[in-house]
Amino acid sequence: DTEVTQTPKHLVMGMTNKKSLKCEQHMGHRAMYWYKQKAKKPPELMFVYSYEKLSINESVPSRFSPECPNSSLLNLHLHALQPEDSALYLCASRGQGKGPQHFGDGTRLSIL
Amino acid sequence: GNSVTQMEGPVTLSEEAFLTINCTYTATGYPSLFWYVQYPGEGLQLLLKATKADDKGSNKGFEATYRKETTSFHLEKGSVQVSDSAVYFCALSTPWETSGSRLTFGEGTQLTVNP
Repeated sequence: DTEVTQTPKHLVMGMTNKKSLKCEQHMGHRAMYWYKQKAKKPPELMFVYSYEKLSINESVPSRFSPECPNSSLLNLHLHALQPEDSALYLCASRGQGKGPQHFGDGTRLSIL
Repeated sequence: GNSVTQMEGPVTLSEEAFLTINCTYTATGYPSLFWYVQYPGEGLQLLLKATKADDKGSNKGFEATYRKETTSFHLEKGSVQVSDSAVYFCALSTPWETSGSRLTFGEGTQLTVNP
């Protein structure tokens, strides 16, 4: 069982919809990440939160809006997405020092 | 900047064969090195890690040794099983006090093990 929980597992939405992806971890990690992964490719970093503050935004379009309401939760708000945004969205968390990032199982997003 | 070069796939083996997936890296400072595995329809799972030179990470019969002199972290397993079929990613990170705690991935290697 993964220690990072993502919901929903699957999401289908139209280009005019607004939806949110959720991520939760209870390992006390203070860094949390959003990645986008296309088939047969490595994950691409989108956002990094460090101590609930946005520390990295990899020039992601504004139709993706991250939010970190507390140290355990991370959201990704979606609005007016495009078909090319269809992908697996992965959340990860990491403790300090040289530890690994721990990934959730992802949300598979399809844009109609 | 940091980079990871991973053996191109796909790799197809018969059950009980020996597996090597090559991984070399370029990094500033002293990175930590990881192998992640992704089974179909799932997220990434940490397979093993090494945080300093000459460390050997091991898990589920897989091993990799952090070789600073050759900047390599090759993944090996002595006898693969059908259940090992997955995509394997080599990755590195630098301590999160620098570089914004990024994880740099290789391109991934698809492994298929046939009975």
